[in-house]
Amino acid sequence: AQSVTQPDIHITVSEGASLELRCNYSYGATPYLFWYVQSPGQGLQLLLKYFSGDTLVQGIKGFEAEFKRSQSSFNLRKPSVHWSDAAEYFCAVGGTARSGGGADGLTFGKGTHLIIQP
Amino acid sequence: KAGVTQTPRYLIKTRGQQVTLSCSPISGHRSVSWYQQTPGQGLQFLFEYFSETQRNKGNFPGRFSGRQFSNSRSEMNVSTLELGDSALYLCASSFSPRDRGFDEQFFGPGTRLTVL
Repeated sequence: AQSVTQPDIHITVSEGASLELRCNYSYGATPYLFWYVQSPGQGLQLLLKYFSGDTLVQGIKGFEAEFKRSQSSFNLRKPSVHWSDAAEYFCAVGGTARSGGGADGLTFGKGTHLIIQP
Repeated sequence: KAGVTQTPRYLIKTRGQQVTLSCSPISGHRSVSWYQQTPGQGLQFLFEYFSETQRNKGNFPGRFSGRQFSNSRSEMNVSTLELGDSALYLCASSFSPRDRGFDEQFFGPGTRLTVL
């Protein structure tokens, strides 16, 4: 069965500092990987995705993520955070039964709550 | 292009009642998935509908059901509500051509259901 682990429940970063949010996944085939962001009371907004190809993917709002198959990781990074980045961040893995991932639908990590210090 | 819309945004029900939530996908999207989000269990996949057929299902009891109409709009129904059904219910749509494997999902704002 597929699974996603986000080891950090909370992370506090100073405004202007760099950010890295960790994500490890378990999947039976080549995964489809995503990072979503959720502000309080809102739905999920897609930051970026990895399907195949270049292992460093660029997303919206200055975020990027690197897929490392050997480490089963897909960490999210941003060189300089802004106060508006404070939110909940979710890593997710998706797949189809045909690619060995079992049931379709996204499997999410528990999320990392990002706090920005002024 | 309009995003995914969900109605109602907030709902209060009592135990034992049933509830129906609605989701309108992005125009042209054929797949609608439903997720439940709770503080304890996080985000969990309920089911996915494609071309009016349930294509996939998560691990939820039969009290949770859904359907999809010919215009791709979807409804989710929960019967015999329990306190533990209080959650944010999120709908996501994707274009999802079957021959292209998995497709990215776009989420609506959710329906906040409170069961008293």
